[in-house]
Amino acid sequence: GENVEQHPSTLSVQEGDSAVIKCTYSDSASNYFPWYKQELGKRPQLIIDIRSNVGEKKDQRIAVTLNKTAKHFSLHITETQPEDSAVYFCAAIGGGADGLTFGKGTHLIIQP
Amino acid sequence: DAGVIQSPRHEVTEMGQEVTLRCKPISGHNSLFWYRQTMMRGLELLIYFNNNVPIDDSGMPEDRFSAKMPNASFSTLKIQPSEPRDSAVYFCASSLADVNIQYFGAGTRLSVL
Repeated sequence: GENVEQHPSTLSVQEGDSAVIKCTYSDSASNYFPWYKQELGKRPQLIIDIRSNVGEKKDQRIAVTLNKTAKHFSLHITETQPEDSAVYFCAAIGGGADGLTFGKGTHLIIQP
Repeated sequence: DAGVIQSPRHEVTEMGQEVTLRCKPISGHNSLFWYRQTMMRGLELLIYFNNNVPIDDSGMPEDRFSAKMPNASFSTLKIQPSEPRDSAVYFCASSLADVNIQYFGAGTRLSVL
């Protein structure tokens, strides 16, 4: 089955700086890669996703890149703000399955 | 739409008791997923249904866990008998099968004493 590795587990950045979270996946058949944001005590909420036929996608301050050859994808947040503080999860779907395989999460801390 | 609705939000029970978690997916969605979240293991897929049919239950930890989806608007996850190691937050999510985007419910926080 699919295995998703996520790094780093904790990331602290100054407000206004950029943050980058990286994930790798094992199943070359995976074709959908969402990113979820989870605030303490809340549900995971989809913030951006990318499919395997696209290399990059951007939505305001958030972007995701996908390298199918290397089997890795990354989340980029620019001009970070205090409300960006949360745990971020990458995930993958593919290989005939529909369930999400999640990375272990990155705790993003925005320092004022 | 009210989104994915889960009940109860919190459940505290004693070891050995039966626990039933409930989920109502978003109207029109035909895939439903149950996930479990713990500090140690993160977010794990337990089971999912397409058009009310269980497709993959390989994530169900053991026979004490069972899930049903009697119709398109309701699913249950049952644990019997419950054990302290079952303590976790259980999330239900739904999607349109060909679109993949999954929307999560607010979760049920289960504590087994």
